[in-house]
Amino acid sequence: DAGVTQSPTHLIKTRGQQVTLRCSPISGHKSVSWYQQVLGQGPQFIFQYYEKEERGRGNFPDRFSARQFPNYSSELNVNALLLGDSALYLCASSLRGQIREQYFGPGTRLTVT
Amino acid sequence: AQSVTQLGSHVSVSEGALVLLRCNYSSSVPPYLFWYVQYPNQGLQLLLKYTTGATLVKGINGFEAEFKKSETSFHLTKPSAHMSDAAEYFCAVSDSGGYQKVTFGIGTKLQVIP
Repeated sequence: DAGVTQSPTHLIKTRGQQVTLRCSPISGHKSVSWYQQVLGQGPQFIFQYYEKEERGRGNFPDRFSARQFPNYSSELNVNALLLGDSALYLCASSLRGQIREQYFGPGTRLTVT
Repeated sequence: AQSVTQLGSHVSVSEGALVLLRCNYSSSVPPYLFWYVQYPNQGLQLLLKYTTGATLVKGINGFEAEFKKSETSFHLTKPSAHMSDAAEYFCAVSDSGGYQKVTFGIGTKLQVIP
């Protein structure tokens, strides 16, 4: 079975632009979580979605938004990009949102110049 | 509120030596505890987890960790380091009930010297 997939792998954007990152969960998983990992730090929780509804949100500004589609894939959108948004964005999926059962994708490396 | 402290952002060991990566946590409720490994330019892979039951947890690649409630610790060990163990290791804590927000430590980069 395929694991969690994310696209694109790498992305370069300019300050002020908008970006959309995509995540496909493991087949049968209904929950997706997003994390931001800045270089030299641990991942920080951004959002969790379960059954297409937002279940949790971390301490991120409103420039960050996400949604989950009927097929349980998810998009993370970031508006008005700042240099500080440069990071590895990780997606994780689980059956029902339990952290103890989540699996991570390879991540999308976003560079803002 | 919950938090994780990983002591030592960089640890070097010789091949064949004991690996010990330290993790202390704070949590207002019974925690779930995790260790993840991250190889360069890759996502996180779960090494092991403590949820309930036995406090000594065995994971993949010969790693294990012991949950010590009295010391609020969850240190990761491996008896004999292998070159392939060189990676970054993250300790994480989450609540055990309800909505489970997870908090990660800043990571420990393990170097294995031949």
